[in-house]
Amino acid sequence: DQQVKQNSPSLSVQEGRISILNCDYTNSMFDYFLWYKKYPAEGPTFLISISSIKDKNEDGRFTVFLNKSAKHLSLHIVPSQPGDSAVYFCAASGSSGNTPLVFGKGTRLSVIA
Amino acid sequence: DGGITQSPKYLFRKEGQNVTLSCEQNLNHDAMYWYRQDPGQGLRLIYYSQIVNDFQKGDIAEGYSVSREKKESFPLTVTSAQKNPTAFYLCASSIQQGTEAFFGQGTRLTVV
Repeated sequence: DQQVKQNSPSLSVQEGRISILNCDYTNSMFDYFLWYKKYPAEGPTFLISISSIKDKNEDGRFTVFLNKSAKHLSLHIVPSQPGDSAVYFCAASGSSGNTPLVFGKGTRLSVIA
Repeated sequence: DGGITQSPKYLFRKEGQNVTLSCEQNLNHDAMYWYRQDPGQGLRLIYYSQIVNDFQKGDIAEGYSVSREKKESFPLTVTSAQKNPTAFYLCASSIQQGTEAFFGQGTRLTVV
């Protein structure tokens, strides 16, 4: 049973517009959420995270929103750039630290010039 | 420069042979992990270790083995019992379990 779900396998966005990547989770014990970016044949790199005590965290062009009641988070990238084209993974963990990060299946973002 | 190093980047193995993938970190992290990536499957956890001389099975541990004799090293052995070993393998580490993990560059294993 998937605890972290990314229901959109792919997304295409025009350069300069906003990219919105979505993630849902089922485990109510999760309270720390992360987004990773991955290029082909490379390891994922950390982008941004959010704790459940917040509903928004911003870092430059990247903003993560958390809706705890809906068990939903989203990553906004604005403005989108061609170099943002990659696979984005959502991950979650619980503050007890009893489990490693649980990852979604990823969303492939294509930013079209 | 601190980081996590996986070697080799590409590995070919004959069917029926065991092979060991190396993972070394100099970040002084306690926790280390092995994930496997297959197309459309995301990252699936194979094994993890919170501390030296201790490790636990992840979601897909069958056909794999690990050791954690040193804090810096967490090698993964893909045994002949693993039915579909061809995949991209990723090692990661974190200060403690459940926090931000740093990944190596991965090893592409192909069984021929």
